[in-house]
Amino acid sequence: AQTVTQSQPEMSVQEAETVTLSCTYDTSENNYYLFWYKQPPSRQMILVIRQEAYKQQNATENRFSVNFQKAAKSFSLKISDSQLGDTAMYFCAFMNPPGGGSNYKLTFGKGTLLTVNP
Amino acid sequence: ETGVTQTPRHLVMGMTNKKSLKCEQHLGHNAMYWYKQSAKKPLELMFVYSLEERVENNSVPSRFSPECPNSSHLFLHLHTLQPEDSALYLCASSQGDRVPDTQYFGPGTRLTVL
Repeated sequence: AQTVTQSQPEMSVQEAETVTLSCTYDTSENNYYLFWYKQPPSRQMILVIRQEAYKQQNATENRFSVNFQKAAKSFSLKISDSQLGDTAMYFCAFMNPPGGGSNYKLTFGKGTLLTVNP
Repeated sequence: ETGVTQTPRHLVMGMTNKKSLKCEQHLGHNAMYWYKQSAKKPLELMFVYSLEERVENNSVPSRFSPECPNSSHLFLHLHTLQPEDSALYLCASSQGDRVPDTQYFGPGTRLTVL
């Protein structure tokens, strides 16, 4: 079974600085998908960024980028120019490759609570 | 409204009560999900529906009963719950036929069982 590990339960960063959240996973599959979701306090969980394992290029969405190291099974999230609104719980998630009726399953890590300080 | 909505946002119930959680998606998706989010634990997938057919029941106790009358609505019927069932219950939806099949979440229902 796939597992997702987020080793940092809590992190903090000063506004405008850069922070990196770590995520590792375990799988025997070669093709899969990885996601970072953000859950602000008392608010909806939203997708931040996603990465297809077959793509070598790291995904980027504005201030958010990932460092995808397939051999190391690592998928870290870098937030540049941190803003107060980035304060949230961040979840790393893994999705099985399609086929066999299992492409809908997301396996989540326990999350990292990020606090951006003014 | 847009996206995925859930009602009620907060629910307090006794162990002998019967209540229902409602989820509605306005995204034209074909798949819907129920997750349980407890403190300091990963999100736990409970049920998956694809085209109104249940395709996953992740060993959830029978005191939780899902219902999907159409592709836009999903319910979670609750009865004889235990205090350890107190959690945030999240609904999500996805297209169902795309790769990767990104899931979009609702705001959740905060359930407290007394």
